[in-house]
Parts: sequence; C-alpha cells; structure tokens
Amino acid sequence: EVQLVESGGGLVQPGGSLRLSCATSGFTLSDQYMDWVRQAPGKGLEWVGRTKNKANSYTTKYAASVKGRFTVSRDDSTNSVYLQMNSLTTEDTAVYYCARARNYAFDVWGQGTMVTVSS
Amino acid sequence: QSALTQPAAVSGSPGQSITISCTGTSSDVGGYNFVTWYQQHPGKAPKLLIYEVSQRPSGVSNRFSGSKSGNTASLTISGLQAEDEADYYCNSYASTDTYVFGTGTKVTVL
Repeated sequence: EVQLVESGGGLVQPGGSLRLSCATSGFTLSDQYMDWVRQAPGKGLEWVGRTKNKANSYTTKYAASVKGRFTVSRDDSTNSVYLQMNSLTTEDTAVYYCARARNYAFDVWGQGTMVTVSS
Repeated sequence: QSALTQPAAVSGSPGQSITISCTGTSSDVGGYNFVTWYQQHPGKAPKLLIYEVSQRPSGVSNRFSGSKSGNTASLTISGLQAEDEADYYCNSYASTDTYVFGTGTKVTVL
C-alpha cells in the first residue's frame, strides 16, 4: 500500500525554524517527484515546493512565498522527504501535506502535520 | 503566481449536475494540459479526482468529468450525491515550472 506519513509539526516562535519529515512506503521513492502543499486554517491549498527524482538530479523548485526560506530535501535510502523551514512568520501557520507527484498531478497525499507560528 | 479563480460556492439538489469553473492565464491553465482537480472533505487530505484536464484515476467515479477551453477549466459533477458535499480545488502546472491552486469551491448538496 502506498502511504505517506508526515511528522515534525508543532508550535514555533516567529523567526524560528522547524523541519518536517515525510515517511514514504509502498513505492520506489527515487523514481518519484515529491511535493509539499500547505493549507492555512480555513483557507485554500497552496503549493510550497518540490524535489524532482534521481533521474532529474533531485532538482528543487519553490513557491515565491517561501523561496530562500524553505528547503525541500530527500533521502531515498530511508524513503524520507523533508521540508526545512527557516525564518518562520505567522503567515506560515498551516497544515503541511506531503504529496507524491505523477503525470503533473498529486496522486497520493499524507494526512498532514500542523505548524503553528506564534509568540 | 496568482491563485486560479474559482466560484466560492456552488450548490445543487441530489441527482442534478453542477459545474465548477477554474480561470487562469495563458501561463498556466491556458498554456498546458496539466490541470488537475481535488476533492477535500473537512479535516481530511485532498483526493485527486481528475488529471491532465479530463483523465480520471482508477477508482474515481465517472460522475466526475473535466474539460478546458482557453484559460478556463471546468469540473462537472453529474448525478449529485450527498457524499459529494466537500471543497473542490483546481490546480495547474505553470510556466515557471511551479504549480498554482485555485481559490477553492464549496459544494453544497441541498
């Protein structure tokens, strides 16, 4: 069974950092693009960033709102994807989802992990 | 990249058909056939309904269909059922090699 499980969310002060993890299973991670999508409380979905697969040199891309502050990385040997978030602001408060991308679609999603940025 | 424009709410009676629009630009919806649609029930993760404008993943009901004309994509739900009450989001690949979601539409079954 294909599965994604996020962890690492919590409460962090403005200006702080947090690292989210996404444990994957049921597929070969090195073959896949992996993305992060977030959803602020009561708001819509926002694409955050991606790591492409091994064949595409693990290239990363980011939304303008997080570029320079967030970093997506992966460890295919442990079937894990990460989102390092620095210089956090209250605007980054959201549920963060890990998603597998295939055919330009997010076909498998995790359950999400909540990040709250507050003093 | 600005969010794609969707109506905030659409409603219909059981058995009816409804259509949700998703308007972007030539740099996203109009420029690529990589429009997707997602269904999200409260407190749950989104679920892929449509990919590549009109393709349905295995297991998705054929009551859901997608199309595109110019810079506007559409999702039609036929034979509306109570379980279809949810939020719906479109998404498109964009020229900057990024993605943009729609503003979201709340579907109510009357």
